[in-house]
Formats: sequence, C-alpha cells, structure tokens
Amino acid sequence: AQKVTQAQTEISVVEKEDVTLDCVYETRDTTYYLFWYKQPPSGELVFLIRRNSFDEQNEISGRYSWNFQKSTSSFNFTITASQVVDSAVYFCALSEVRLGAGANNLFFGTGTRLTVIP
Amino acid sequence: ETGVTQTPRHLVMGMTNKKSLKCEQHLGHNAMYWYKQSAKKPLELMFVYSLEERVENNSVPSRFSPECPNSSHLFLHLHTLQPEDSALYLCASSQGLTGYEQYFGPGTRLTVT
Repeated sequence: AQKVTQAQTEISVVEKEDVTLDCVYETRDTTYYLFWYKQPPSGELVFLIRRNSFDEQNEISGRYSWNFQKSTSSFNFTITASQVVDSAVYFCALSEVRLGAGANNLFFGTGTRLTVIP
Repeated sequence: ETGVTQTPRHLVMGMTNKKSLKCEQHLGHNAMYWYKQSAKKPLELMFVYSLEERVENNSVPSRFSPECPNSSHLFLHLHTLQPEDSALYLCASSQGLTGYEQYFGPGTRLTVT
C-alpha cells in the first residue's frame, strides 16, 4: 500500500519567515518518485519538483529547497523568506514504478494550506 | 494556448441533466487523467488514458463516462449526477505513464443541484 501523510493541515507565517512543510510517505517499492505541487486559489495544481528514490541529494531552487531522507521516509519542503504569493495549498505526492502495471498512479497527501501574512 | 486547458471553468447542473467536461493538452503528452477534488479529501484519480486507451478506472460510478478521441483531448461525460458529485474536476497530462510529472489544468468547479 502507498500512503502520503502531510500532518500539517494549515500553517500561517509572517512574510519573510522561513517555513517547512512536512511530507512522510509509505511504500514497499524500492523505486518510486516523489513530487510537490502548489495549488493557488485559482485551483490549478502547479508542478514544483520531482525526485526519484535513488537520488537523495537535496535540491535548491531560488527560495525553495527540498530535503529527501529515505531513512525517515520524508520529503520536506522549505520556503525561505516567504512571500504573500506563496500562499497556497501544497501537496506532496508519491508515484511507484510497478513492472507491467503501466499506470502512473499519483498518490496525493491531503495538502498543507500555507498562509503568508503581510 | 499553452499547457492544459479545461472548459467550462464552472458548471451548475441538475441531477437529470447531461453535460460534458472538456480537457485539451498542448504539451505533446501521451497520457491524460481525470481527478476529482472534494473538500477535505485527497485528490482522487478517476481515469487514466495512455495513447487514447483507457488503462485505469478506479471504481468510478457509471454516471461518469470518459472519452479520449485523441492524445490531445479528453472528455468527461456526466449524467444523472448526485449532489455528492459536486467537486473540482481536474484534468492532467504527462509525457509517459511511469514516473513522469503530471501537468494540471485549472479545473472545472461542478455544482450538482
């Protein structure tokens, strides 16, 4: 079974603060992919990052950074110096690679609503 | 047009109506998906198409009927819906089926009265 847990339902921070969104996943597979998506009020999910299970290097993209730790099955997302435009719901997702299955099931967490207060 | 587009953006329909949701992707992708997003529930995968062939149907009621005439277009035909079907319906596409990121459209906000 696969499961993605985002324990933080809602977070509020003041602009310019750093914030970390937690994601913990469960899978029996050794090969899998992890994703983060942003859903602003407009509704469209915006792809942020994909990470495969064999690449544990942390990644930084501007104010965004991701910390992938297989030992704790976590894939946390940090926003540095948050801005009001970062206010959105953020989803973590897991996709496994099943030989012969053919389907890209993307298992989403329930999301974390981030509000950045000016 | 770029990315993934969906029409209409908002739809209100009665339980006896028949309507269709349309999705179009301009990314040259081979796979397309329908998701349902209800309040306080995880996104639910409804249907998956790869090269116009349905590869997954996650026990969706027959009142939802998908159609994929080509790799760029995906429809969701709706008939005799229930109020609990009110939700945001999201379309997505990806380059392939396994391990690829999915790109989403803006969604259709459906209200069933």
